[in-house]
Amino acid sequence: ILNVEQSPQSLHVQEGDSTNFTCSFPSSNFYALHWYRWETAKSPEALFVMTLNGDEKKKGRISATLNTKEGYSYLYIKGSQPEDSATYLCAFASGSARQLTFGSGTQLTVLP
Amino acid sequence: DAGVIQSPRHEVTEMGQEVTLRCKPISGHNSLFWYRQTMMRGLELLIYFNNNVPIDDSGMPEDRFSAKMPNASFSTLKIQPSEPRDSAVYFCASSLGQRETQYFGPGTRLLVL
Repeated sequence: ILNVEQSPQSLHVQEGDSTNFTCSFPSSNFYALHWYRWETAKSPEALFVMTLNGDEKKKGRISATLNTKEGYSYLYIKGSQPEDSATYLCAFASGSARQLTFGSGTQLTVLP
Repeated sequence: DAGVIQSPRHEVTEMGQEVTLRCKPISGHNSLFWYRQTMMRGLELLIYFNNNVPIDDSGMPEDRFSAKMPNASFSTLKIQPSEPRDSAVYFCASSLGQRETQYFGPGTRLLVL
């Protein structure tokens, strides 16, 4: 069983604040790390997939970094807006795994 | 592309009835996943297929649950008999490979009375 942990579990920020959260995963036998955005009453949507140590991906105000040697990824949101409110899931794939292992998510609420 | 299609979007049934959920994956994707979302457990993987073959069904709760993928463009998840504790949102997702980005359908919201 692969251990994928996300922290914090939930987060409330004010509109305009920048925020970040963490996904931790096993550092051995790395294949890929995915980030998904999951709005309430909708389905998860893929944000990023990262495969190389040091990868940085950016989509608008959201960016992610990857450290495969120490087994963590950060997701950053710059200047949070209420529409950023969602659960952010990370999912890890090892070289030997047959499918993704999802973390339990960080639930972000951006207060206007 | 229409994305992953699931039907029905909502289902209300009585305890003991058979429920069949349907999924059409994205054309060309060869991996298909069934998930269940509950308040208590979040997103749980029930079963997944690769090239229409079930690979891992260890997440299927019990024998009342069964899933099939008769061809590359269609899968079903069946619950017989249904129970109130099966009430949840069931998602289907597909991907190009087992470890690749998964694309989720809109989900089926099931309520068993």
